[in-house]
Amino acid sequence: QVQLVQSGAEVKKPGASVKVSCKASGYTFTGYYMHWVRQAPGQGLEWMGWINPNSGGTNYAQKFQGRVTMTRDTSISTAYMELSRLRSDDTAVYYCAREIELDTAMVLDYWGQGTLVTVSS
Amino acid sequence: EIVLTQSPGTLSLSPGERATLSCRASQSVSSSYLAWYQQKPGQAPRLLIYGASSRATGIPDRFSGSGSGTDFTLTISRLEPEDFAVYYCQQYGSSPPAWTFGQGTKVEIK
Repeated sequence: QVQLVQSGAEVKKPGASVKVSCKASGYTFTGYYMHWVRQAPGQGLEWMGWINPNSGGTNYAQKFQGRVTMTRDTSISTAYMELSRLRSDDTAVYYCAREIELDTAMVLDYWGQGTLVTVSS
Repeated sequence: EIVLTQSPGTLSLSPGERATLSCRASQSVSSSYLAWYQQKPGQAPRLLIYGASSRATGIPDRFSGSGSGTDFTLTISRLEPEDFAVYYCQQYGSSPPAWTFGQGTKVEIK
C-alpha cells in the first residue's frame, strides 16, 4: 500500500533553515510528482511547489521562490523540502503529497502525516 | 494566478441535512483541473472529487460535484456525522504553472 512517512516535528529559531523529509513506499517513487503543501495553525492549505523525482525538476510557488529547495534521493525513495530564512509566520504543518493523473485530472491522492515546524526565538 | 474563493466560511447544519458549498474562481478554470478535498482535525486532507464531478475511489455517492467556468459546487446530499469537517477546493493551471486552494468551508454540527 502507498505510504508517505514524514520526519518528526522541528523547532527552529528565526533566520534558520529546516529540512523535512518524506519517505515513499508501496509504489514507484520516480513515477509520480511529489508536492509540498503547508498549513499554518487554524488556517487553510497553501501550495508550495512540486518536484519531479525522476528528473529532479522543480516548480515552486512564486511566494517561496528563493527560500525553498525541493530535492530527492531516489536510492531511498525520499523527497525533501528545505525552507530557509525562517520567520515566525512559517510556523505550520508541512505535508508532502503524491500527484496522480485521474482521467485528465491531476490531483493529490496520498498525503504524508504532516510535520509541524515551529519557528520561535 | 487564479484565486479560489469559497463560501460560506462556515456552514452550520444538522445530520441528515443537505450541504451546498461554493467555490468561485477569479478566472475561468478547466473543469478537469478542479478538485475537492476533505480535512478532519489532526488529519491530512483526503481527495473527494476530481475533474469537478468525479468521485475518488471509496467516496460515498452522497458527495457530488458540479460546475464549470468560474463557479463550482460540492454537495453533500444527506450529512452523516463523519462529514463534519473542512472542505477545500483546489485547481491547477499552466500559466503560471501553479496549484491553488480555496480558503476552506467548515461544515459544523448545528
